[in-house]
Amino acid sequence: GAGVSQSPRYKVAKRGQDVALRCDPISGHVSLFWYQQALGQGPEFLTYFQNEAQLDKSGLPSDRFFAERPEGSVSTLKIQRTQQEDSAVYLCASSKGGSTYNEQFFGPGTRLTVL
Amino acid sequence: AQSVTQPDIHITVSEGASLELRCNYSYGATPYLFWYVQSPGQGLQLLLKYFSGDTLVQGIKGFEAEFKRSQSSFNLRKPSVHWSDAAEYFCAVGARNAGNMLTFGGGTRLMVKP
Repeated sequence: GAGVSQSPRYKVAKRGQDVALRCDPISGHVSLFWYQQALGQGPEFLTYFQNEAQLDKSGLPSDRFFAERPEGSVSTLKIQRTQQEDSAVYLCASSKGGSTYNEQFFGPGTRLTVL
Repeated sequence: AQSVTQPDIHITVSEGASLELRCNYSYGATPYLFWYVQSPGQGLQLLLKYFSGDTLVQGIKGFEAEFKRSQSSFNLRKPSVHWSDAAEYFCAVGARNAGNMLTFGGGTRLMVKP
């Protein structure tokens, strides 16, 4: 089957706008992760779901960031009142099981540019 | 908390030459260790991983890495680099007992000279 897909691939927002980024994980994968990758940096963890439960949101940088996975498959990362420092590539990953042992498969990312 | 350092931001090697990318980690116990490769416009692809056992692990595309506990290192190697290996390489650590997230290093950009 297909890998992890993300949409849109590119998003330009004016400062203050709200954006929604979508992730379609590999079918049947229990775990879903969001990471933020700033230019020239490694990915940084944002949040983690196991099925529909958000088990870890310690990496979300502010309360403007919100993620959901209501039916345990597709996930949406929402950023309210975007700021220039939110400009980054947002990566989604999924894995089959609920352990770090399980390989995380990454999508191509959504590049967000906030003007 | 765990952390990962990749000391080399950029490395340039000639095609056919050997390669070693350095990775040092900080973690209180034996971590899970990973190397990923990221090509422009592509997602991260897993090259190899270490969980336990043999400290020399083989991966895809001819890569290998060696876990050295005494040096807190997990360096990536390839005996002969191909032009298609030009990409960004990330080392990552995962905790065995606290959460499932990965902590990534800052990456090393590999350029290959013909």
